[in-house]
Amino acid sequence: EDKVVQSPLSLVVHEGDTVTLNCSYEVTNFRSLLWYKQEKKAPTFLFMLTSSGIEKKSGRLSSILDKKELFSILNITATQTGDSAVYLCAVRQGAQKLVFGQGTRLTINP
Amino acid sequence: GAVVSQHPSWVICKSGTSVKIECRSLDFQATTMFWYRQFPKQSLMLMATSNEGSKATYEQGVEKDKFLINHASLTLSTLTVTSAHPEDSSFYICSARFHGGTGMNIQYFGAGTRLSVL
Repeated sequence: EDKVVQSPLSLVVHEGDTVTLNCSYEVTNFRSLLWYKQEKKAPTFLFMLTSSGIEKKSGRLSSILDKKELFSILNITATQTGDSAVYLCAVRQGAQKLVFGQGTRLTINP
Repeated sequence: GAVVSQHPSWVICKSGTSVKIECRSLDFQATTMFWYRQFPKQSLMLMATSNEGSKATYEQGVEKDKFLINHASLTLSTLTVTSAHPEDSSFYICSARFHGGTGMNIQYFGAGTRLSVL
């Protein structure tokens, strides 16, 4: 059965801390891995990863994919309260279908 | 990024009535849109893939007669929950597939619709 597993499911840290969110997957016909941030409603797109070992970076956020070990990590440095959200990892299977993980609920305390 | 609009954001209806939810891609054309359902504190579960000009493809366990999907244009897909019952109460989110440059294939999401069936 295809599955995407995220850990931890919940994380509470102080502002300024660095966090690492994990995503492992077992999905047939892997095409790419995507990270989304979901605050109150719509998930917003963060990164799409297709190749191993190439870090994608956007400000304080960065992500990398390991296709041999079947996992990805999302790093957030110098966290801010605005980073509080649910972070979703999804794997694109075949042409279009996305398989989502359960999400990691990140809470940044001031 | 590409913008997807979903309407309404919240709807309350009586049991037995039908509810239509619209999903529009505002600044790009989407031949493929997707409908997801999300239960509290759970992840998104794909219900169906909506293909412009053809029938939707439903995931296993999703009743196609209950969740009617129409994708009549390249910018609009609709989901109609027919004869809604309290167990249909949920958060429904649509997405539209955006084809960017080489290899770019990203789903952009609408803001979701919270359906409450009394």
